[in-house]
Amino acid sequence: DAGITQSPRHKVTETGTPVTLRCHQTENHRYMYWYRQDPGHGLRLIHYSYGVKDTDKGEVSDGYSVSRSKTEDFLLTLESATSSQTSVYFCAIFSGTDTQYFGPGTRLTVL
Amino acid sequence: GEDVEQSLFLSVREGDSSVINCTYTDSSSTYLYWYKQEPGAGLQLLTYIFSNMDMKQDQRLTVLLNKKDKHLSLRIADTQTGDSAIYFCAERGSGSARQLTFGSGTQLTVLP
Repeated sequence: DAGITQSPRHKVTETGTPVTLRCHQTENHRYMYWYRQDPGHGLRLIHYSYGVKDTDKGEVSDGYSVSRSKTEDFLLTLESATSSQTSVYFCAIFSGTDTQYFGPGTRLTVL
Repeated sequence: GEDVEQSLFLSVREGDSSVINCTYTDSSSTYLYWYKQEPGAGLQLLTYIFSNMDMKQDQRLTVLLNKKDKHLSLRIADTQTGDSAIYFCAERGSGSARQLTFGSGTQLTVLP
């Protein structure tokens, strides 16, 4: 599992509330990613980071922001959650062996 | 943007071989990957192939790559009920972000 944990694992929230998801890794990988998984769409990249304080947008970044103040933590924030952001969110790291490994996922429901 | 396509469903009998197909559009793909996802779980890396290879075998898994046609396949020999899952194909382009583009996934059902 490449030492990746995500918290919380499940969350139910209401429309309009802010939500922060955390990804934590223990192996000092430089690249980290946030994806969302929706039926019929596979995984789509939201944001990624290539180092502390270095982040960039992915394919579906609207409504999301990220921060990386430490190598081991990559935070995904929904400033004002909407029902369209109900999804399963996966964090990933890029390993030194040309592969990406994924965390266990966070299931977010926005009512 | 780049695109990865997979068929949505595949059913096979236990003991038969399964072949899951994938096509992609990015001509600058460097690596191609197969991930497995069981219900309620994350993505497990099964295998991957570098774009200058045309075949890779790993126990029951065989990956074939036709770079000219941009076609990737995953063959699972002697398919078991424990192989029932969603299988995702993904490609990595040549960009510095090293991000992956995923297909929508193929639901493999293994019938007894």
